[in-house]
Amino acid sequence: NFMLTQPHSVSESPGRTITISCTRSSGSIANNYVQWYQQRPGSAPTTVIYEDVLRPSGVPDRFSASIDSSSNSASLTISGLKTEDEAEYYCQSYDGINVVFGGGTQLTVL
Amino acid sequence: DVQLVQSGTEVKKPGESLKISCQGSGFSFSNHWIGWVRQVPGKGLEWMGIVYPGDSDTRYNPSFQGHVTISADMSITTAYMQWSSLKASDTAIYYCARAASGSHDSYDIWGQGTMVTVSS
Repeated sequence: NFMLTQPHSVSESPGRTITISCTRSSGSIANNYVQWYQQRPGSAPTTVIYEDVLRPSGVPDRFSASIDSSSNSASLTISGLKTEDEAEYYCQSYDGINVVFGGGTQLTVL
Repeated sequence: DVQLVQSGTEVKKPGESLKISCQGSGFSFSNHWIGWVRQVPGKGLEWMGIVYPGDSDTRYNPSFQGHVTISADMSITTAYMQWSSLKASDTAIYYCARAASGSHDSYDIWGQGTMVTVSS
């Protein structure tokens, strides 16, 4: 099994831009899609990005994502930060056998 | 609306059995993989397994295989997770999630979660 490593926490001010990384330990990040999920306290996860770069309907275009094969990592970028973006963010991918989640990144908007 | 609605909170004793459900609506239930994800309170997300309601094909995370059974009944658009003998360590919130069309793991719709507490 591979692992997905995320920073434990990040913080930024409202209106600024933040990027959360997700590094795959083995196997190519480009071989399987990466998803990003947002989880606010006390709520179920919701999908903000699926299949590397796609946004479900209703997710604002302030949320974007990318894949970087050179660092074997994925990134979630949130621009124009709002206080409502404060949440835990999880990346997730697959190796053909198992689905793996990253450990989560707590985003604080202050 | 496309949605997954899960069954309610459960409180059980160690050794008891349990079956929780996840009913889909607003989409072709038989044509999407449905995944189950565990979240121990205060911890991260863990993938448990998936089921394809169209033919009941099921895949498990080896960490959970043998301890839980995942199934589905496409006639009532419902997926299930069941335990024959619960342990205190099964205390968690369990989420079901729909995989995007043609995918095993790109989850795009989530249920609201079922809290399971196992305590003597």
